[in-house]
Amino acid sequence: AQKVTQAQTEISVVEKEDVTLDCVYETRDTTYYLFWYKQPPSGELVFLIRRNSFDEQNEISGRYSWNFQKSTSSFNFTITASQVVDSAVYFCAREGEYGNKLVFGAGTILRVKS
Amino acid sequence: DTEVTQTPKHLVMGMTNKKSLKCEQHMGHRAMYWYKQKAKKPPELMFVYSYEKLSINESVPSRFSPECPNSSLLNLHLHALQPEDSALYLCASSQGNEQFFGPGTRLTVL
Repeated sequence: AQKVTQAQTEISVVEKEDVTLDCVYETRDTTYYLFWYKQPPSGELVFLIRRNSFDEQNEISGRYSWNFQKSTSSFNFTITASQVVDSAVYFCAREGEYGNKLVFGAGTILRVKS
Repeated sequence: DTEVTQTPKHLVMGMTNKKSLKCEQHMGHRAMYWYKQKAKKPPELMFVYSYEKLSINESVPSRFSPECPNSSLLNLHLHALQPEDSALYLCASSQGNEQFFGPGTRLTVL
């Protein structure tokens, strides 16, 4: 199986610190999609971003930014000026080779303390 | 309407019970999914329905039986479950490859 690796099991930061969550993926496909989801304690998976393999431009959305590096098969996620409400589990995922089949990383627990 | 709803939010059942989980979306999505998520683990795909037909079954035990009565509804029928089946069950829908998830049903099997 083509894995998605999130090496950071848990990260703790103090409010207003910047934090980067790492994601490394394996793929044999030319075309693929990468995703980030947020799962707060309530349990619902919240979609954050989708990136296709042909678009290596970095993206910024408010305090969130993503760095896609095809050369290193990485898709890292940075939260600037973190807030307590950012505390959640964050999952990186890729679309599997058969389409419509998300392969998730193990997730990174982010704890933001006030 | 841009959400996926799931009922019930919580369910406790015995090993001899029969129950059903329900999922609904009104976004016109033609693919719907069931995932199982154990504590501190990522979601694991169970089933995919595409245009109301089962397209992926990830070797799920037959005590879990999915049903897609129409393009907006997805059910998961549960029978003779085991305590290890206790988990958060997530439903999702998609048009293309962006999946929208419901809030989940937290299932406890006694």
